[in-house]
Amino acid sequence: DGGITQSPKYLFRKEGQNVTLSCEQNLNHDAMYWYRQDPGQGLRLIYYSQIVNDFQKGDIAEGYSVSREKKESFPLTVTSAQKNPTAFYLCASTHRGLDNQPQHFGDGTRLSIL
Amino acid sequence: GENVEQHPSTLSVQEGDSAVIKCTYSDSASNYFPWYKQELGKGPQLIIDIRSNVGEKKDQRIAVTLNKTAKHFSLHITETQPEDSAVYFCAARTADSWGKLQFGAGTQVVVTP
Repeated sequence: DGGITQSPKYLFRKEGQNVTLSCEQNLNHDAMYWYRQDPGQGLRLIYYSQIVNDFQKGDIAEGYSVSREKKESFPLTVTSAQKNPTAFYLCASTHRGLDNQPQHFGDGTRLSIL
Repeated sequence: GENVEQHPSTLSVQEGDSAVIKCTYSDSASNYFPWYKQELGKGPQLIIDIRSNVGEKKDQRIAVTLNKTAKHFSLHITETQPEDSAVYFCAARTADSWGKLQFGAGTQVVVTP
């Protein structure tokens, strides 16, 4: 089945540590997105990528980094500069260039501080 | 940029009754409005969407209405069932936003038997 796979489902970070969240899709989508979700809040955009080797900052990019070396993959690194990383992280993808196509989401990674 | 407000934040309904969630948006250039359902520990799932050239869309027990003049859109769920209990998010997108969605804060819907 086609879909978006996020791993791991749960992740713990120590002080001063960088951690990387994986996002893989087999939907042949060009565009991929990372969102952060805090309790009782909507989804906030961290980074997005429309094409391989290109990405842009979203609304809350500070303390995060991404890469897009393959169409299928868009990993997110939560760096030690992100002082409040505890949240639910969601990856999404969609077709680029087709008007108003929906975003499809993975099942998220829950990141906590040790 | 686009700003989306969603109300109410929580909604409790009796099984069989209707539920209505309302969203307003700020950017008149927004032309696509999806609704997502999120169950606990899962990612959001698209349940219905509407484009700006349409005023209403229905899919079985779910319908969405759009008022472009007033810049608001609503989700209607009829004959609610316990499995409709979840968090629902509205979102809006403009044509030139690189596919980016602006989400509302979400509505926790609880359907009581």
